[in-house]
Amino acid sequence: AQKITQTQPGMFVQEKEAVTLDCTYDTSDQSYGLFWYKQPSSGEMIFLIYQGSYDEQNATEGRYSLNFQKARKSANLVISASQLGDSAMYFCAMRANNAGNMLTFGGGTRLMVKP
Amino acid sequence: EPEVTQTPSHQVTQMGQEVILRCVPISNHLYFYWYRQILGQKVEFLVSFYNNEISEKSEIFDDQFSVERPDGSNFTLKIRSTKLEDSAMYFCASCQDRAFYNEQFFGPGTRLTVL
Repeated sequence: AQKITQTQPGMFVQEKEAVTLDCTYDTSDQSYGLFWYKQPSSGEMIFLIYQGSYDEQNATEGRYSLNFQKARKSANLVISASQLGDSAMYFCAMRANNAGNMLTFGGGTRLMVKP
Repeated sequence: EPEVTQTPSHQVTQMGQEVILRCVPISNHLYFYWYRQILGQKVEFLVSFYNNEISEKSEIFDDQFSVERPDGSNFTLKIRSTKLEDSAMYFCASCQDRAFYNEQFFGPGTRLTVL
């Protein structure tokens, strides 16, 4: 079975600072993908960034980067230069090759950006 | 950019009533999903659908739930006799194929309130 753990229920960050949101995962599959989604107060799920289990380099998308440490089974999201609009829930999710094609989500981290 | 759409955005119903939530996936996608998010909790997989049949379902997806693709564009989730605990945000998602590295595109969600 797959499991995603996000240990930070809530975090504050000062505007323009960087912040790291933690995500650890558990799977016996060798082929898997890790995804981060942002959920603002309006409720929609916005895809941010993806990291594949075979990717040798950490993924980056604009201000978002993923600190992927395969041996530790962690896939932390780093947001640089935080903006007020980054205040939202952030979910880490995984999709494994041999475990069905659904996404398994963590419990989420609520990020609040202070002006 | 193509997107997944869902209607209605908010549905209020009485306990015991039937509801149908509607989704229009992205047109060239082959895999369709329903997820549920109870307020303040994580997103949970309900069911995946491919080639006009259910490919996987979770233990949440019991006999009260059904899915259908009645025509070439719509994908529906029916709850036969709603319970209070069915109150949640329901997300539809679609994907080109089942490869673990492919992003699932989420719709904006339908907020279901059961009174």
